[in-house]
This record gives sequence, C-alpha cells and structure tokens, in this order.
Amino acid sequence: DQQVKQNSPSLSVQEGRISILNCDYTNSMFDYFLWYKKYPAEGPTFLISISSIKDKNEDGRFTVFLNKSAKHLSLHIVPSQPGDSAVYFCAAVISNFGNEKLTFGTGTRLTIIP
Amino acid sequence: GAGVSQSPRYKVAKRGQDVALRCDPISGHVSLFWYQQALGQGPEFLTYFQNEAQLDKSGLPSDRFFAERPEGSVSTLKIQRTQQEDSAVYLCASSRKTGNYEQYFGPGTRLTVT
Repeated sequence: DQQVKQNSPSLSVQEGRISILNCDYTNSMFDYFLWYKKYPAEGPTFLISISSIKDKNEDGRFTVFLNKSAKHLSLHIVPSQPGDSAVYFCAAVISNFGNEKLTFGTGTRLTIIP
Repeated sequence: GAGVSQSPRYKVAKRGQDVALRCDPISGHVSLFWYQQALGQGPEFLTYFQNEAQLDKSGLPSDRFFAERPEGSVSTLKIQRTQQEDSAVYLCASSRKTGNYEQYFGPGTRLTVT
C-alpha cells in the first residue's frame, strides 16, 4: 500500500525552464512534507520542506506547494540548471513526536537538457 | 563538518552468511533511522532510535534483522542468514532532535547477496 506516490518516473526539461515534480499522498495524518534530491551512489540530500499549516514554502530556486484538500504537493524549480539532474523523492511525516520516520515516494528522475 | 558515514560502502555476501552494517551519525544527533532501498524504489523505513533506545522496529522485515545503538551514537544493522531478497541499499539517517524532521542521510551500503 503506497501511501506516498510519485506517478511520473521521469521528466526531461530544457535548461532555464521550470521543472515541476508532483507527489500525491493518501494518509490524511501526514502533516509535514519534505523533498530530497539524490545523485547516484550518494544518500538523499534534503532540499525543502513544508508544514501542513502552510500552502507554500520558497527557498531560492525551489518552491514547494501543498494542496491539503487534494492531498497533493509539488516542487517547482526555476530556472532549471544542469546540476538539478537527479532523482527527486518526496517524503511525508506524521509529527507525533514519537517517531518521525519518513515515508517516501518512488522518486522522479529529472533530466535537465542543456 | 562531518556528515553521516556508513561502512562498508559495498558488501557482497553468500546466501546464508551474516552481515553487519555500520552507521556513524552526525555528532550529537539524537535520532537515528535505518532505511532499505530496493532498486527503483524509494527508501523504506526499517527502525528508529532515540539515543540508545530503539523506539520503533516495525519496519524490520523479519527476525533475521537486528539493530543496535548501545551508546547512543554509532549504530549497527545486522542481518543473519542473508537471503537474495535482502539485496538492497541500506541507508542510515540522523536528525538533531525529536521534532526536527529534516534527516541527514549517509551514502548507504549496497548489499548484494549471491
């Protein structure tokens, strides 16, 4: 039972354009969401996060949008750069202070075309 | 500063052998997590420590898997009588304190069982 879903396994975007990565979740108890970026042979690296009390969080070229009613979040990267080519995972947390384990999606491989 | 380190980076084991995977979290980080990542999938939660206490081991796939963190810093994940389905990347992550959801990941140990 996949509670966090990334339905696009791959995405190609021209350098300089906007990259939009999508994520859907089914468990309404999730209240904190994170995006991680992963290069081959490395561990995931934290990018940006959002609490369910917000609908948008911005950090430089990265913006995450959360639509709680649709149980959907998206990551926007503007402008896209070649170094952004990686696998992106969205992850969700239930913030009960007992165990902040991350539930991950299956990832989207982003390729930026120079 | 030093990040999360894991050793070995690669491990090949014959079916039936025992293996031990080590994780050195970031110094002072209270929470430590182990995840298993199969090919083409997102990381999946295995177990969670808060200091030396193992608070959640619900993700361990069988009683062949055992984890410990005896002094609240270094952790070891042990797999007894390895099977082919245990082949995966094992990721360790740490976070500063309870309630801090941003986890820092190590590079992982790629286990191949032949």
